[in-house]
This record gives sequence, C-alpha cells and structure tokens, in this order.
Amino acid sequence: NAGVTQTPKFQVLKTGQSMTLQCAQDMNHEYMSWYRQDPGMGLRLIHYSVGAGITDQGEVPNGYNVSRSTTEDFPLRLLSAAPSQTSVYFCASSYGRTQFFGPGTRLTVL
Amino acid sequence: DQQVKQNSPSLSVQEGRISILNCDYTNSMFDYFLWYKKYPAEGPTFLISISSIKDKNEDGRFTVFLNKSAKHLSLHIVPSQPGDSAVYFCAADNAGNNRKLIWGLGTSLAVNP
Repeated sequence: NAGVTQTPKFQVLKTGQSMTLQCAQDMNHEYMSWYRQDPGMGLRLIHYSVGAGITDQGEVPNGYNVSRSTTEDFPLRLLSAAPSQTSVYFCASSYGRTQFFGPGTRLTVL
Repeated sequence: DQQVKQNSPSLSVQEGRISILNCDYTNSMFDYFLWYKKYPAEGPTFLISISSIKDKNEDGRFTVFLNKSAKHLSLHIVPSQPGDSAVYFCAADNAGNNRKLIWGLGTSLAVNP
C-alpha cells in the first residue's frame, strides 16, 4: 500500500493563478480531509468528505473547492491564489477514528 | 477559543529520561483523543490514542493518560530516544462531530544525546 499520496511536493504560484493539489489513497477509506498548517496555527481543516459524492466545509474553506468523484481521490482546487494561501497542505484519510496523513504540499503564492 | 491546548511550545529532555507532553481540553463532549508525531517536511503520523472510557493506554515506550475530571491528558515516552525528537500534536474528537478532529498547536520535543 502506498497509503496517502500527494502531488506536487512543492509549488510556487503567482497571485490570481489557479491550481489543483492532488490527493489519493489506496486504503479504501471513506473519509478524507484537507488541512493547512501555518506557523503558530496548528492544523486547520479546510474541507472534508465522508464518501464519494459527499463533501463539506471545514474551519477555513474560503478560496478552496473540492470534489469527490471516487473513493480514492480527493483533489483540492485553489480558484484564484492569494498570498494568504501560502502554507503547507496535508491530505488525510481515516480508518475508524484515526486519520492517516500524506507527506504534504508546500505552496508559496507570490 | 482553543478547545485543545498544548501549553508548552517546546520541551527538552536527556536521552534515556522520561518525556511528558501535556494537553488540556475544554469540551466535555470529546470522547476520543489521539497523539500524532510530526517530523519536518513530513505529514503527521499516528502515535497512540485513548477512548474516554479508559484512563490509560500503553504501546511500547508510549503511554497516554487521561484525567477526565481535569480535562487533561498526557503522553509519556520512556525511555526517550534522539529519534523521538519531533513535534507532537494532541487531537480530540467527539462521536457526533463527523470525525472532525480538533487539534492542539503542538509541542516540539528535543531529546538530547
């Protein structure tokens, strides 16, 4: 099992550009989520999904879209990147009440 | 308002000694607690968890203690090893919260040889 994979590892965007952060898991987990981690802020939930076709907002959803067409994939879309979205992004999937994280994507918005 | 608090941003211990990381919470509806470890440039990895029906859970060198009346939990690492140097996050969950974990800000542990 590869677990939770994320691509790309690093990305630099200009303000206003859009992009998609990819997340995939091969553990057949129903629950997936996206977090961002900023210095002094801990992990903050952006969006989550309890299964294919079902998504919901977390704590900091503004500026991000998600969709869940398959159990395996949960992409995060930045519609128009802003410097405030400079962060490290983690995707996670859950078995029971334990979440398993991907390695993260470090995003810089200039 | 932070519902899960890790009041010590950093902790330094000698190799072989005990490391104690603390976590306080405010929401009495939390019924499940987890500890994660995070190395730089990696995602958090699950370490150990405890249900609110227990007051202790042990896994090798790692033990988590839960004091529900004080709304406090702690992670004990015995003996501490240099490879334990990482940031440790406490997280809490309640059954009715759709598995949205509430996270503390983390404690950076340095284990010195």
